[in-house]
Amino acid sequence: SQTIHQWPATLVQPVGSPLSLECTVEGTSNPNLYWYRQAAGRGLQLLFYSVGIGQISSEVPQNLSASRPQDRQFILSSKKLLLSDSGFYLCAWSWGQGLEKLFFGSGTQLSVL
Amino acid sequence: QKEVEQDPGPLSVPEGAIVSLNCTYSNSAFQYFMWYRQYSRKGPELLMYTYSSGNKEDGRFTAQVDKSSKYISLFIRDSQPSDSATYLCAIFGNEKLTFGTGTRLTIIP
Repeated sequence: SQTIHQWPATLVQPVGSPLSLECTVEGTSNPNLYWYRQAAGRGLQLLFYSVGIGQISSEVPQNLSASRPQDRQFILSSKKLLLSDSGFYLCAWSWGQGLEKLFFGSGTQLSVL
Repeated sequence: QKEVEQDPGPLSVPEGAIVSLNCTYSNSAFQYFMWYRQYSRKGPELLMYTYSSGNKEDGRFTAQVDKSSKYISLFIRDSQPSDSATYLCAIFGNEKLTFGTGTRLTIIP
């Protein structure tokens, strides 16, 4: 069976500090990978998605970047965090053929102070 | 107009009641309709998935799609305290997945 791991669960970072969130998927190969941010009352916002190693698409301009160094590893980064980067970050994967079924990780609650 | 509209609630019902959660959408090209359940501080989990008008049942859960009205619903029968969560509708079409903002549901024992 497939599993997705995302860590850390909670993170408190000062403004201007770097960020690295990691996500790995087990039990499947060549998945589509996604980073979402969830803000209260605003639903899920797609930040990045990747259909393969080194292939990253950005949905919104922002202070964040993503990388996919291995087939089942997806990393969300920032060089300097802003207050507005606070939120609940979710990694997800789907089968290569379709976006319609997403499987989410447990999320990271990021607080930038 | 948002592509997907969902009443944020919160919604509180007594244990055993029937719960009705709803979303409307604006794009008739939308093809697939999903409901996710999200417990507090956890990632959403796929609960129901359908692509046609009509009803789809899975245990105590029934997903209903009315494409002519662009309206989807999730019904929960015999609601349990463990059903307390936020429920998000999600609709896929034109190679894009759009989520509702979620309805926070509390089942009161």
